[in-house]
Formats: sequence, structure tokens, C-alpha cells
Amino acid sequence: AQSVTQLGSHVSVSEGALVLLRCNYSSSVPPYLFWYVQYPNQGLQLLLKYTTGATLVKGINGFEAEFKKSETSFHLTKPSAHMSDAAEYFCAVRSSYNTDKLIFGTGTRLQVFP
Amino acid sequence: NAGVMQNPRHLVRRRGQEARLRCSPVKGHSHVYWYRQLPEEGLKFMVYLQKENIIDESGMPKERFSAEFPKEGPSILRIQQVVRGDSAAYFCASSQNVAGEETQYFGPGTRLLVL
Repeated sequence: AQSVTQLGSHVSVSEGALVLLRCNYSSSVPPYLFWYVQYPNQGLQLLLKYTTGATLVKGINGFEAEFKKSETSFHLTKPSAHMSDAAEYFCAVRSSYNTDKLIFGTGTRLQVFP
Repeated sequence: NAGVMQNPRHLVRRRGQEARLRCSPVKGHSHVYWYRQLPEEGLKFMVYLQKENIIDESGMPKERFSAEFPKEGPSILRIQQVVRGDSAAYFCASSQNVAGEETQYFGPGTRLLVL
């Protein structure tokens, strides 16, 4: 069965510092992986996704993630944090080829300090 | 282009009442998913529907919860005889579910509060 683990429910960084949000997955089939961002009292917005092909994926707002099969990881990074990046971030894996049903991690709340 | 629309955005119900949550998918999308987000938790899959069909309801509670996606009109998530534990944010997502376009687009959610 597919599952997602996000290490660190809270991450705090200074403005301008590197952002690293961790995501490890378990999947019995080659995974499709997603990162979504959720601002307070809003829905989820897709940051980026990996399906096939290039393992380094670039998304919106300067974020990128690298699919590492050997480590079963899909960590999200951004070289320089901005105050507007403060939000909740969710990693998700598609559960199978037959459905787009997503399995979500428990989320990481990112705080950015001036 | 309009994204996924959900209404109401906020819903307050007393224990025992019914809650109806509506979702209009992105134009052209025929696949709808409902997820529930409990406070301080991630999203949990509830049900996956196509027009007039329930494809996967493995995440739906066995009682009181039902969902439909009629040929015409929005998808409806219905919760009968609500209890306090039903208080959560309910998100709808839609997709095309065709090869090469796997992305689910999420609505803003309906926040249900049961008093």
C-alpha cells in the first residue's frame, strides 16, 4: 500500500535561508508524487509534480524537488525563503495507476522569520 | 477559467442535522474526489466519482455519509445526523484522469462546524 511520511511537522527558517521540507514515500508501483501548498483557510495549490522523466522537478514560486528512487524520497527545496512562503506544505503520492486518488502526508508547517 | 467551486465555504450545523456540501469541478473535468481534513491533520481520501458513478468509496464512513455526482449539476457530499466529530474541512478536487494530465485541482473547501 502507498504511504507518505513527512518528517518535521514544523520547520522554521529565516528569510533568505534555504528551505528543505522532507518527504519519503512507500509505493508498490512507480510513484507519481506531488507537493501542494495550503495557505490559511484556503484550498490546496499544486507546487510541482513528478510523474516520469527528469527526476529534478521545478515548480512555482522558486520551489523544486528531486525524486530519488534509491532513497524513496521527494524532498522539497527553495534556495532562499521569502516571508510569503509561510504556509502548510503537503506531500502526496498517487495510490495506483487505476485512480488519481491521492495519499497525503500529515503536512509541514513552514514559518519564515524576518 | 473558473477553478473548482465549493459552497458553502462555511457551514454550521447542530448535532443531528444534515449537512450538504456542493462541488462544481473545473469545466471539462469529469472526475471528482472528496477529501476530509481534520484539525492539525493531512487530507484523507473519502470518495472518487465520475458522472453518475461512484468509482471508489473506500474512505467513506459506512454510515451517515453519501456522495453523488449527477449527470447535470454539482457533486454533493451529504452528511446525515451530524456529530461533533464531523467538524472538519471538506475539500473537493477534480481532474481529467487522462494519461499525461494527472493533476487534481482543489477547491477552497467547506469548513463544517457541528455544535
